[in-house]
Amino acid sequence: DVKVTQSSRYLVKRTGEKVFLECVQDMDHENMFWYRQDPGLGLRLIYFSYDVKMKEKGDIPEGYSVSREKKERFSLILESASTNQTSMYLCASSITALGQDNQPQHFGDGTRLSIL
Amino acid sequence: GNSVTQMEGPVTLSEEAFLTINCTYTATGYPSLFWYVQYPGEGLQLLLKATKADDKGSNKGFEATYRKETTSFHLEKGSVQVSDSAVYFCALMGRGADGLTFGKGTHLIIQP
Repeated sequence: DVKVTQSSRYLVKRTGEKVFLECVQDMDHENMFWYRQDPGLGLRLIYFSYDVKMKEKGDIPEGYSVSREKKERFSLILESASTNQTSMYLCASSITALGQDNQPQHFGDGTRLSIL
Repeated sequence: GNSVTQMEGPVTLSEEAFLTINCTYTATGYPSLFWYVQYPGEGLQLLLKATKADDKGSNKGFEATYRKETTSFHLEKGSVQVSDSAVYFCALMGRGADGLTFGKGTHLIIQP
């Protein structure tokens, strides 16, 4: 089974801090994604990456950046944390199967981040 | 752009009742469609998927059929159990490696 591991289940940080959320997958997937989940809003895509050192903006990239130095690891960075970034953050990965249908994304258990 | 609309919750049913959670979508081209489930305190798990019109995805007694004519992908189960209590998300993916577009989720509560 695919394993997507997020480094922390719960995290508390202060306004203005630089925050790193780490995600590692063990299935050699090309694609990795970061979402945030908020009540009444569902999941919204922040950034994604389809290869090492590649990144693409999702629907809500403002206030975030990402890093993909190795294929298995995709980091989400809050440059200067703000209270409106308090949320559940979910990482996902998927494989690119050339000539085949879209492959499903596999999710980690999430990091619940609180910004005080 | 792409969008997914699913029925608002919470949906409360008794054990062994029939379940339908409606999902409709707007997308260009021919997206793939998914249902994910999130149990309390956990991440999302893929429940089922369909990649082309008239495909039926099924898993754990749940089914959904990709209806292009009505742009729908309704989730059904004939007899729900207490263990099915969770939040269910309908989602679509366009062609390529883009991210998923999710509905807002439906909280399902099954009472014994």
